Amino acid sequence: NAGVTQTPKFQVLKTGQSMTLQCAQDMNHNSMYWYRQDPGMGLRLIYYSASEGTTDKGEVPNGYNVSRLNKREFSLRLESAAPSQTSVYFCASSSPSRGNTEAFFGQGTRLTVV
Amino acid sequence: GENVEQHPSTLSVQEGDSAVIKCTYSDSASNYFPWYKQELGKGPQLIIDIRSNVGEKKDQRIAVTLNKTAKHFSLHITETQPEDSAVYFCAASGWGQFYFGTGTSLTVIP
Repeated sequence: NAGVTQTPKFQVLKTGQSMTLQCAQDMNHNSMYWYRQDPGMGLRLIYYSASEGTTDKGEVPNGYNVSRLNKREFSLRLESAAPSQTSVYFCASSSPSRGNTEAFFGQGTRLTVV
Repeated sequence: GENVEQHPSTLSVQEGDSAVIKCTYSDSASNYFPWYKQELGKGPQLIIDIRSNVGEKKDQRIAVTLNKTAKHFSLHITETQPEDSAVYFCAASGWGQFYFGTGTSLTVIP
């Protein structure tokens, strides 16, 4: 049982380049999330998808887009990367319909924008 | 939206001592409060959680308490061990979204 799988694990981008972070879960969860983690700032929600076909902005959505491709997959796209987007990105999934059960996290993608 | 504050940001304890991490939240609609442990280079993992209809929950050396009136909840780790060294996050959830505190870096000194 893989849980939540993120790719890639590491990435270096030049300012202005684009890339897509991939996330897939095999737990049949309805909700999926993208967070970024920066030193001293905890985990901040970028985008959230309550179910297939729906997405909502979180706390820090500027500069990002998302796609909930199907129930399993939720991708995060940086159209024009900026140094301020250097961070560790985590994807997570949960099933709130079953009463706010825990969120399961992937291993993270460490992104550096130079 | 929800605002979760977490203290302290760093905590050092001697092996065998207890560690306490405290969080407050702002939204009275939040009803689920998980605690996550994050080891270096890994994603956060749930260690214990509590729902708003419960005041305290224990799991071996770990316990969580919740005071709904005061909107605060705490993590207690007893008999700390070196492997407890990690970053701990509290979170609050009400409508499917999770709002995290800024984390506590716990160091257990052998």
